[in-house]
Amino acid sequence: QSVLTQPPSVSAAPGQKVTISCSGSTSNIGSNLVSWYQQVPGAAPKLLIFANDRRPSGIPDRFSASKSGTSATLGISGLQTGDEADYFCGTWDSGLSAGAFWVFGGGTKLSVL
Amino acid sequence: EVHLVQSGTEVKKPGATVKISCKISGYSFSDYYMHWVRQAPGQGLEWVGLIDPEDHATTYSERFQGRVTITADMSTDTAYLALSGLRSEDTAVYYCTTLVGKGVFDYWGQGTLVTVSS
Repeated sequence: QSVLTQPPSVSAAPGQKVTISCSGSTSNIGSNLVSWYQQVPGAAPKLLIFANDRRPSGIPDRFSASKSGTSATLGISGLQTGDEADYFCGTWDSGLSAGAFWVFGGGTKLSVL
Repeated sequence: EVHLVQSGTEVKKPGATVKISCKISGYSFSDYYMHWVRQAPGQGLEWVGLIDPEDHATTYSERFQGRVTITADMSTDTAYLALSGLRSEDTAVYYCTTLVGKGVFDYWGQGTLVTVSS
């Protein structure tokens, strides 16, 4: 059971837009910056979004994200078949007295039909 | 150019200990935490723990407390993950990563498959 909650799967047609939600709590999303990762089978995760809504260089502006309260959302517009992958949200959780730790969402599988 | 190069595939018996290495290049090892993240077959990402190479301070996931040790060797710019008391559920790909260090410094090793089987 992941600390952050994501839908197991989403799907949309090529060219359409899809959103993926990530729900947490005040100790994680509510008080820390959120990152989003894309992972294709057999590869390490690739950073798509950092600091809630910022894209690293090389990530197209078809990828966007936002955060509100204890939830975050990733948006992908102009869907391409190459976007088929698993998407994970992640952030720090400062809930333990022993120190902050990192938490991930369970992942969302995107199908481009 | 930044690289994180991990050691190779491991096959271990239940109850054994595995130690995986992650050698970095292209940046100053002490500048960023090194995290370990694992992914069981067909499953999501699970954070194992981290080390601050500068002072060797560690934080571990509660799930692994007592079984995991993360170390860093500043002389060789290498981080290590040791996991003891292995069980079949520990079968996974283990990644070292800087995990958006200081905001955007995000690099991952290629992953090390650890298989636990009798």
